[in-house]
Amino acid sequence: DGGITQSPKYLFRKEGQNVTLSCEQNLNHDAMYWYRQDPGQGLRLIYYSQIVNDFQKGDIAEGYSVSREKKESFPLTVTSAQKNPTAFYLCASSPHLGYGYGYTFGSGTRLTVV
Amino acid sequence: QKEVEQDPGPLSVPEGAIVSLNCTYSNSAFQYFMWYRQYSRKGPELLMYTYSSGNKEDGRFTAQVDKSSKYISLFIRDSQPSDSATYLCAMMYSNAGGTSYGKLTFGQGTILTVHP
Repeated sequence: DGGITQSPKYLFRKEGQNVTLSCEQNLNHDAMYWYRQDPGQGLRLIYYSQIVNDFQKGDIAEGYSVSREKKESFPLTVTSAQKNPTAFYLCASSPHLGYGYGYTFGSGTRLTVV
Repeated sequence: QKEVEQDPGPLSVPEGAIVSLNCTYSNSAFQYFMWYRQYSRKGPELLMYTYSSGNKEDGRFTAQVDKSSKYISLFIRDSQPSDSATYLCAMMYSNAGGTSYGKLTFGQGTILTVHP
């Protein structure tokens, strides 16, 4: 079955530590996205990529970094510069940027600062 | 003002009730409309999508778009406890030729609980 795999499901980060969230898709989609979800705030876009080796900042990119070295993979690094990283992180993909019939989402990673 | 507004609820209804979930938007360039359902601790799954105005029905679910009022709705008939989830509206721009472009803009999500 095609889909998006996010790992790990739960992640704990100590203060001052960088952590990387994995996102892999086998849908052959060109575009991939990272969202952050907090209670009552819906989905906020962190970064997106429309093609390999290209990515763009979303609305809340500060404290995050990404790479897109392979079409299938779009990892997100939460750096120590992100002061409030505790949230639910969602990765999504679509056939191309501007695809109007919805994105496919992964199951999410819940990150907690300890 | 946000481009897409959605009442976060929470909304609690008895089993069998008709549920109405709504979003308003400010930009008339939005022409592609979607509804996602998200169960607790899971990723959102696409429930329905519509283009431009009108109604679309799928089983117990009906999506409605009123472009003149910049208002979209999702109706759930004969609601079930398994419908308990967060419902997110999402929309995308369209150019004059009807081609979608840009990225999805999401509402804040409405938390729905259907109790037996």
